[in-house]
Amino acid sequence: SYVLTQPPSVSVAPGQTARISCGGNNIGSKSVHWYQQRPGQAPVLVVYDDNDRPSGIPERFSGSHSGNTATLTISRVEAGDEADYYCQVWDSSSEYVFGTGTKVTVL
Amino acid sequence: QVQLVESGGGVVQPGRSLRLSCAASGFTFSSFAMHWVRQAPGKGLEWVSLIAYDGINKFYADSVKGRFTISRDNSKSTLFLQLDSLRAEDTAVYYCARDGARYFDHWGQGTPVTVSS
Repeated sequence: SYVLTQPPSVSVAPGQTARISCGGNNIGSKSVHWYQQRPGQAPVLVVYDDNDRPSGIPERFSGSHSGNTATLTISRVEAGDEADYYCQVWDSSSEYVFGTGTKVTVL
Repeated sequence: QVQLVESGGGVVQPGRSLRLSCAASGFTFSSFAMHWVRQAPGKGLEWVSLIAYDGINKFYADSVKGRFTISRDNSKSTLFLQLDSLRAEDTAVYYCARDGARYFDHWGQGTPVTVSS
């Protein structure tokens, strides 16, 4: 089965840049999507198809990927960005796969 | 605006059944495939099931295949998940989500299911 690995936690000061990695075999060949889940809330799509943003999502959120790693970048981090973040891909053998999740802490 | 409202969760004994519902509004329900995704307490997200826009094609995660059944009523803009032969490891918050072409573009607030004797 296809596995996506994320770091358990990332800490960042307000105004700085947070980078969240998502590792998977040849993930660069797949479309990668990212979700934000604030405590006690449902997930929200923040990036789809590698680097597109749904309406209402700030430009501070961007995605990239190549080789075996995808990255969600949050620029000019704010206190409201503190949340769990999950990457996700579709794989022909495993269907819909989520990453292990990363907790972003704003210092 | 898109709204998805789940209901039907609760506490149930192992081996028993439960039926979850998801009422959709704010979009043409019959034009979209729909999913169920779950999250065990303190754990990550796990895709559970997908149903095509017309209800014909259905797909399941291996962990629930043969025990869960997804269905929909397009006349009532409602998605369902029948949970049979429940196990302790099925304890989770169950979310319905709209399909956005192999991703999930809108989510409901979730309904909790606890399987315990």
